[in-house]
Amino acid sequence: GAVVSQHPSWVICKSGTSVKIECRSLDFQATTMFWYRQFPKQSLMLMATSNEGSKATYEQGVEKDKFLINHASLTLSTLTVTSAHPEDSSFYICSASLRVAGGPLHFGNGTRLTVT
Amino acid sequence: GDSVTQMEGPVTLSEEAFLTINCTYTATGYPSLFWYVQYPGEGLQLLLKATKADDKGSNKGFEATYRKETTSFHLEKGSVQVSDSAVYFCALRQGGSEKLVFGKGMKLTVNP
Repeated sequence: GAVVSQHPSWVICKSGTSVKIECRSLDFQATTMFWYRQFPKQSLMLMATSNEGSKATYEQGVEKDKFLINHASLTLSTLTVTSAHPEDSSFYICSASLRVAGGPLHFGNGTRLTVT
Repeated sequence: GDSVTQMEGPVTLSEEAFLTINCTYTATGYPSLFWYVQYPGEGLQLLLKATKADDKGSNKGFEATYRKETTSFHLEKGSVQVSDSAVYFCALRQGGSEKLVFGKGMKLTVNP
């Protein structure tokens, strides 16, 4: 079945540095990728929708200059957390959609980010 | 806006116990409804779905029925196993959209 690979699975960084998280669709072309953030004991919150070759669409309240999203190809989207702070520590999950409207979403295994 | 409310855990059950996880939603129109499962250390996987009222989704012994009159999509399993230990998310998606709206998730632990 369709597989979405997310890397790294966990990362620890110092405050003020930037961290890049990759999301790849391994065996299908993803027109759209989504980035979610999961807080402890809370739901997954959609951060942004990433479409190949165009600018990402951010949800209300998400700082686009802090969470840079690039969707350079149909199989790769990246999320860069710039100038990370401890409050950015969270679990980030990506998902990808096949080139069919309303098609199933496939999720990566997530990235645990800890900012010290 | 659209929202999903599901019962909060964590919940611990003994093997072979009956499981119900309540889920209700608020949405305009007729969304599709989903249950996702997240096993320890893994990403979310689609467990089952229903796309219209009275549809029943089923998979791996789990069932959920789309109840429009009560705006609910409760997940049930007659006899849980240790391998069912995971976090379960209820979610909805509006027709024509690829965005999912999730509930908070519920952690289930099944003891032998």
